[in-house]
Amino acid sequence: AQTVTQSQPEMSVQEAETVTLSCTYDTSENNYYLFWYKQPPSRQMILVIRQEAYKQQNATENRFSVNFQKAAKSFSLKISDSQLGDTAMYFCASSIQGAQKLVFGQGTRLTINP
Amino acid sequence: DAGVIQSPRHEVTEMGQEVTLRCKPISGHNSLFWYRQTMMRGLELLIYFNNNVPIDDSGMPEDRFSAKMPNASFSTLKIQPSEPRDSAVYFCASSLRRLAAFLEQFFGPGTRLTVL
Repeated sequence: AQTVTQSQPEMSVQEAETVTLSCTYDTSENNYYLFWYKQPPSRQMILVIRQEAYKQQNATENRFSVNFQKAAKSFSLKISDSQLGDTAMYFCASSIQGAQKLVFGQGTRLTINP
Repeated sequence: DAGVIQSPRHEVTEMGQEVTLRCKPISGHNSLFWYRQTMMRGLELLIYFNNNVPIDDSGMPEDRFSAKMPNASFSTLKIQPSEPRDSAVYFCASSLRRLAAFLEQFFGPGTRLTVL
């Protein structure tokens, strides 16, 4: 069974700072995918970044990057030059190859202060 | 382009009433998912369909819940009878399924259900 754990219920940083959100996961599969989703107050779930487990290179999308440590089963999200619009709940999720089920962590509420 | 459309956005009902939530996936997508979000349990998958066929309904809480997908452009999630513990935000998501690949799931805006 897959599990995803986010140990930081809430985080708060000042605008323009860098923040890192933590995520650990557990799976017995070799081929899987990892994701970070953003849920702003509008409730809309938005995919921020994805990582294929077979890729060693960490994924990057503009100000968002991940630190994927496969052996440690760790998948953290780094947000650089944080902006007020980054304020949201962030969910880490995983899915095994061949399946479509997304398993989500409990989320981290991130607040960017002006 | 229209994203995933859900209706209603908000629903308030009384215990024992039937509730029907509706979803229109993105045109061309062949997979559809229903998720439920609560403070206690977080986001959990209830059921998903491939090509209108239910594939995994292991997340459906009990027989009071049922989901249908009569065609590629419409799905419903029905709760009958509803109970206060069903209060949650229900999300519909769709994706384009291809073999040996995971493609992004696009989420709708959700339906906030309150059962009094």
